[in-house]
Amino acid sequence: DTAVSQTPKYLVTQMGNDKSIKCEQNLGHDTMYWYKQDSKKFLKIMFSYNNKELIINETVPNRFSPKSPDKAHLNLHINSLELGDSAVYFCASSQDSGGETQYFGPGTRLLVL
Amino acid sequence: TQLLEQSPQFLSIQEGENLTVYCNSSSVFSSLQWYRQEPGEGPVLLVTVVTGGEVKKLKRLTFQFGDARKDSSLHITAAQPGDTGLYLCAGAPGNQFYFGTGTSLTVIP
Repeated sequence: DTAVSQTPKYLVTQMGNDKSIKCEQNLGHDTMYWYKQDSKKFLKIMFSYNNKELIINETVPNRFSPKSPDKAHLNLHINSLELGDSAVYFCASSQDSGGETQYFGPGTRLLVL
Repeated sequence: TQLLEQSPQFLSIQEGENLTVYCNSSSVFSSLQWYRQEPGEGPVLLVTVVTGGEVKKLKRLTFQFGDARKDSSLHITAAQPGDTGLYLCAGAPGNQFYFGTGTSLTVIP
């Protein structure tokens, strides 16, 4: 069974559209994350979220919003997509938020045209 | 300037050669992690170093945490094509987690 799964794997869309990426973890972890990996392979945290606290990287545009229906899911919603949003988005989870091992999903490759 | 700077950024070597990747910061970390990311996949944890001066070995990979806990290194002995990938150091000096700038390693058969 896949520990952290993401859908879709590929997403091609037009500028201005709204899209969502789904993430599920079956590890029973309390904390989930969203990362953006740019074309230079730099991995930057966007959000970390557990039952109690959402930590937002202040550099993330408010067009991006995490939505967590339950502890096992953290979806990423993006409004008014821009060309610069093209990247690979990774979901990850960890037992807690204290720097423990993070388990990553396979990534969602987003291309905005 | 990123919180965790890695060098070199790119490395292409022949099978059997040795190499060292560096991860440096001006911040102190309680621990540092090393991940490897293969093409088309997410990063996977290799090791966590916790104590200043600590050395950990994982088969042909040797990880060292600096005495001041501001830097770390990864040494690979007799590199194999299967070592090809993006190597990332990572840590949380406060309540936010940061990844390093990455080292892309290619081992040529």
